[in-house]
Amino acid sequence: SQKIEQNSEALNIQEGKTATLTCNYTNYSPAYLQWYRQDPGRGPVFLLLIRENEKEKRKERLKVTFDTTLKQSLFHITASQPADSATYLCALRGSTLGRLYFGRGTQLTVWP
Amino acid sequence: GAVVSQHPSRVICKSGTSVKIECRSLDFQATTMFWYRQFPKKSLMLMATSNEGSKATYEQGVEKDKFLINHASLTLSTLTVTSAHPEDSSFYICSASLLGEGGDTQYFGPGTRLTVL
Repeated sequence: SQKIEQNSEALNIQEGKTATLTCNYTNYSPAYLQWYRQDPGRGPVFLLLIRENEKEKRKERLKVTFDTTLKQSLFHITASQPADSATYLCALRGSTLGRLYFGRGTQLTVWP
Repeated sequence: GAVVSQHPSRVICKSGTSVKIECRSLDFQATTMFWYRQFPKKSLMLMATSNEGSKATYEQGVEKDKFLINHASLTLSTLTVTSAHPEDSSFYICSASLLGEGGDTQYFGPGTRLTVL
């Protein structure tokens, strides 16, 4: 069965630095990879979607890369701020209307 | 755009009672809605996929008679936890699927915290 791993449970960085989160997967060939942000006691909020034929996608301070050879996605937050502190979830989908498979998330803490 | 609401946000009930949770897509029509369950510090676990006007598809290990799903319209799906027990206490989250240029994206509701005493 498919397995999705996010590099660490927790990541602590200083404000202003770039946060890099990793999502690795095995036994799967996703057509889409998505990143979500989840705050405590809240539902996930959609951030970015990248397709298997796209290498990189950007949105404001966010950047996502997708390497289907390495079976890996990197999620970057540049000029990080304390407000970016949250859990970030990686999710994969095999087809346009298929179900999402989620990683366990990485809890990011940005300290002043 | 793409706002999904859930009601109630928090519910406490006695063991043996049934609890209904509503999920609404507020500004779009969703042919497909999903129901998830999340335990503390764990990832989201898909319980079922719900299509408007048809029976829900349940994931392996999820009791369909325990977790009743009704998807009566393109903007409303309900999850009823029947005869709830303390082990059903969890965070339940729904999502609604919106087809866009990047494929379909799931937009999540804010979640419902269920506590069964």
